[in-house]
Amino acid sequence: KAGVTQTPRYLIKTRGQQVTLSCSPISGHRSVSWYQQTPGQGLQFLFEYFSETQRNKGNFPGRFSGRQFSNSRSEMNVSTLELGDSALYLCASSLDRGFTEAFFGQGTRLTVV
Amino acid sequence: GQQVMQIPQYQHVQEGEDFTTYCNSSTTLSNIQWYKQRPGGHPVFLIQLVKSGEVKKQKRLTFQFGEAKKNSSLHITATQTTDVGTYFCAGGTGTASKLTFGTGTRLQVTL
Repeated sequence: KAGVTQTPRYLIKTRGQQVTLSCSPISGHRSVSWYQQTPGQGLQFLFEYFSETQRNKGNFPGRFSGRQFSNSRSEMNVSTLELGDSALYLCASSLDRGFTEAFFGQGTRLTVV
Repeated sequence: GQQVMQIPQYQHVQEGEDFTTYCNSSTTLSNIQWYKQRPGGHPVFLIQLVKSGEVKKQKRLTFQFGEAKKNSSLHITATQTTDVGTYFCAGGTGTASKLTFGTGTRLQVTL
């Protein structure tokens, strides 16, 4: 079956702009989590969505937001982009909440100039 | 907040040597998961440990969860060049859907 699909794969934006990233989880998976990966900070949890509701949120400013649709697809949005937002944004889907493995997508490489 | 540290940050071994990475959490964990990320790739799930003192093996890989559920280790016996990558532990508290990733250990294997 198809894995987790993230679009776009690469993105270049200018400071102050906003960006929307998309994630299609594995069919049947209902939990979607987002992570930011940078060389300096490593993998940091952004938020988790389940049944169209945000269940957990990491320590990121309000400029980072997300949502989940009824088909479990998820989007995350970053407004007023800063240089420090340049990172690999990874989406992970899980069958359900709880102790289940997370399947990661290939990620979206965002560069802010 | 919760912190998960891994040591070493980097290890370079010759093929056939053993390798171990250690993971330490500042808080007690409900579970710990291990992931491998190849250069240019995305994290791939290896295993999950839930019970105190649990040991699991996958071929040449041995995973342990500490008795206090605050630390874990991954040991690779007789490394191969295909083991190259960064190994992350990820701790869950409460719901495992929110994982705190460790700082990672980058493994380089040469012939």
